[in-house]
Amino acid sequence: NAGVMQNPRHLVRRRGQEARLRCSPMKGHSHVYWYRQLPEEGLKFMVYLQKENIIDESGMPKERFSAEFPKEGPSILRIQQVVRGDSAAYFCASSPIDEQETQYFGPGTRLLVL
Amino acid sequence: AQKITQTQPGMFVQEKEAVTLDCTYDTSDQSYGLFWYKQPSSGEMIFLIYQGSYDEQNATEGRYSLNFQKARKSTNLVISASQLGDSAMYFCAMRDPSWGKLQFGAGTQVVVTP
Repeated sequence: NAGVMQNPRHLVRRRGQEARLRCSPMKGHSHVYWYRQLPEEGLKFMVYLQKENIIDESGMPKERFSAEFPKEGPSILRIQQVVRGDSAAYFCASSPIDEQETQYFGPGTRLLVL
Repeated sequence: AQKITQTQPGMFVQEKEAVTLDCTYDTSDQSYGLFWYKQPSSGEMIFLIYQGSYDEQNATEGRYSLNFQKARKSTNLVISASQLGDSAMYFCAMRDPSWGKLQFGAGTQVVVTP
């Protein structure tokens, strides 16, 4: 059973460009969470999605960031007009049927904004 | 609001010795979940062990065990018989009861020496 997959593993963007991060949850998992880890810090929650629904986006910056989890295909975290402060590791986690299950993390995408 | 605190920024431990990592939390919820994750230098987040607030027994998973003291609101991770591969950052996390998002502590860096 494949784990949570994220791609790309590393992404370099210049200021002002767009970054698209993809996450494929574990088979059978319908809940996806995105977290951000700034250098030398712990992970911070960004957004929680189920298929075609954003359930909790309380951790998402109000501008430039958006997330989706379509009926078919991976979940996408999109960052428009990236700035240097967006440089971080972005982790996706998935869990099975409900929110009370253990979350399993993907390997993360390291975003570097030049 | 929930809060997770890890007061030990870093620890050295000799191979084959046991090490205890501290984690305290603050919540007004009666039902909650506590997790420990390991982040090696390669960067991925590895689930280690879970303790539910209503679990009467301390959780154990191989060489990992929890010293869960509900009244003191602490859930310390004990790693027995440390191995060089245990060198990593260790994060304690609490699950939000409503939507399941995890709130992480700042982490403790463990270095196992020969």
